[in-house]
Amino acid sequence: DSGVTQTPKHLITATGQRVTLRCSPRSGDLSVYWYQQSLDQGLQFLIQYYNGEERAKGNILERFSAQQFPDLHSELNLSSLELGDSALYFCASSVETGGGTEAFFGQGTRLTVV
Amino acid sequence: DAKTTQPNSMESNEEEPVHLPCNHSTISGTDYIHWYRQLPSQGPEYVIHGLTSNVNNRMASLAIAEDRKSSTLILHRATLRDAAVYYCILKYNNNDMRFGAGTRLTVKP
Repeated sequence: DSGVTQTPKHLITATGQRVTLRCSPRSGDLSVYWYQQSLDQGLQFLIQYYNGEERAKGNILERFSAQQFPDLHSELNLSSLELGDSALYFCASSVETGGGTEAFFGQGTRLTVV
Repeated sequence: DAKTTQPNSMESNEEEPVHLPCNHSTISGTDYIHWYRQLPSQGPEYVIHGLTSNVNNRMASLAIAEDRKSSTLILHRATLRDAAVYYCILKYNNNDMRFGAGTRLTVKP
């Protein structure tokens, strides 16, 4: 158990809908990362937050947005969903953003868009 | 975006050592070398990281070349549970972690 909690574990929704994925970081961790992993694909970095502020942005679509709240949990919002958005979405957290800091990943949310 | 190069796949026999190579010829002085692995149907798991010196922990060892342009993750005795995709990543201060394709390790009994 990494200490990072993602909910829900599974989500099935229809095209055009909007969903929210939630991530609770490890206690004391200030940084949160979001990743997308499509079937048999690598991990695509989406976005990173540190203590409530956006720190880095990767290949995140305009239909997707995220935020980190004062209690440090984070939410990834996916809207106007398309079939191609079906994927595993992982959240990771780390205590800070330094190069020597390891990150801990949750078990992911499996999103299926039908 | 990944700045590391790894073989797509490797095979190992159970209970034998495994050396997973990673090339990072454009590494800068402030880049840390991190290794993560992803077991089937699980989230990635931190393995080890280092800056200049070789590092050991309970999971593995990390050997870093003197010029830092390459590194090797060493699993001393591979088990079937070590079958996973292994990712080598460069991480520098205040920046994100971007994963490449990794090396898929198969462990044969």
